[in-house]
Amino acid sequence: AQSVAQPEDQVNVAEGNPLTVKCTYSVSGNPYLFWYVQYPNRGLQFLLKYITGDNLVKGSYGFEAEFNKSQTSFHLKKPSALVSDSALYFCAVRDEGGSYIPTFGRGTSLIVHP
Amino acid sequence: GAVVSQHPSWVICKSGTSVKIECRSLDFQATTMFWYRQFPKQSLMLMATSNEGSKATYEQGVEKDKFLINHASLTLSTLTVTSAHPEDSSFYICSASPEVGLSNQPQHFGDGTRLSIL
Repeated sequence: AQSVAQPEDQVNVAEGNPLTVKCTYSVSGNPYLFWYVQYPNRGLQFLLKYITGDNLVKGSYGFEAEFNKSQTSFHLKKPSALVSDSALYFCAVRDEGGSYIPTFGRGTSLIVHP
Repeated sequence: GAVVSQHPSWVICKSGTSVKIECRSLDFQATTMFWYRQFPKQSLMLMATSNEGSKATYEQGVEKDKFLINHASLTLSTLTVTSAHPEDSSFYICSASPEVGLSNQPQHFGDGTRLSIL
């Protein structure tokens, strides 16, 4: 079985400050991890993924995420937040040896204040 | 690449009307597409997995006679909400992946359809 948790419904950060959106996961085998962003009344857009290799993954729009196997986490980060980063962020996981259907977290609303 | 187009983007109709939503993969073939429903400020709820040339696989609690899915070609899946009622009002999103059998690939999402039933 696979599951993913996003413990924060909302994250507030001031523009220019670093941001972190948290994600933890549970799988039986090796995880494939994804981050997506959703703007209002739009579908989800793929940001980045971790499959294997370097624990620090860089993605679109200056975002990056760090895979931590011991803590089963895959937190999304950005060194300097922009107001335009305000959106809904989803973490998703697939188990390498499991179903091809991913499990999504409940989403975290990121609000960047000017 | 890997663009998914979804139409219409917004539908407002009277109760009892049936509404069809189209999901197209524009530059790749998709043997499998996914249909999700999203309530305000909530996560995605997987409704069904649409398989080209065969019956869709519905998640528990989703009425297959209410939400008809047809995947007639490798680039088109449709979701028909039959005899829609106000409680069916929601945001519906489809997704697909060029190589669904490879679980390390991301999904590509349509822009969603906002359905409002009066």
